[in-house]
Amino acid sequence: NAGVTQTPKFQVLKTGQSMTLQCAQDMNHEYMSWYRQDPGMGLRLIHYSVGAGITDQGEVPNGYNVSRSTTEDFPLRLLSAAPSQTSVYFCASSNRFEQFFGPGTRLTVL
Amino acid sequence: AQSVTQLDSQVPVFEEAPVELRCNYSSSVSVYLFWYVQYPNQGLQLLLKYLSGSTLVKGINGFEAEFNKSQTSFHLRKPSVHISDTAEYFCAVSDLGQGAQKLVFGQGTRLTINP
Repeated sequence: NAGVTQTPKFQVLKTGQSMTLQCAQDMNHEYMSWYRQDPGMGLRLIHYSVGAGITDQGEVPNGYNVSRSTTEDFPLRLLSAAPSQTSVYFCASSNRFEQFFGPGTRLTVL
Repeated sequence: AQSVTQLDSQVPVFEEAPVELRCNYSSSVSVYLFWYVQYPNQGLQLLLKYLSGSTLVKGINGFEAEFNKSQTSFHLRKPSVHISDTAEYFCAVSDLGQGAQKLVFGQGTRLTINP
């Protein structure tokens, strides 16, 4: 099993550009989530999904969109990137007792 | 709503010395508690978790943590650290009703092991 995979690993964007961060899991988990990690702030929840077709906002949702058309995939979209979105992004999937994290995407917005 | 405070942002220790990383949480309901480790340029890996039962929880790599409900703490300990333990450690909490599905993380503690 690959677990949770994320692409790309690194990305540099210019302000105003859009992009999609990909996330996939092969553990058949219903629950998936996106976090951003910034120095000194731990991980903060952006959006989460409790199953295909169901998504909700986390602590820091502004500037990000998500959708969940399948159990396996949970992409994160930046519609118009801003320098404040420079961060490391982690996708996770979970069962009731543990969250499993992907390797992360390091995003820089110039 | 839950919150987590990791009391030390950085902890330097010498190799083979004991270490304690402190974590306090706030919640109005019963909780699950977790410690995750992040090695440089990697994702998060579960060290250990408290779900129920014994308040002393043993995890991977010789780490253990004790759940103290009265003090709302979940401190992480290791009796003798190695250079390879250099990493950032995150404490996280979730409420019992949601299981591990919606975690609230602390700010992280950077553990540096000096030879």
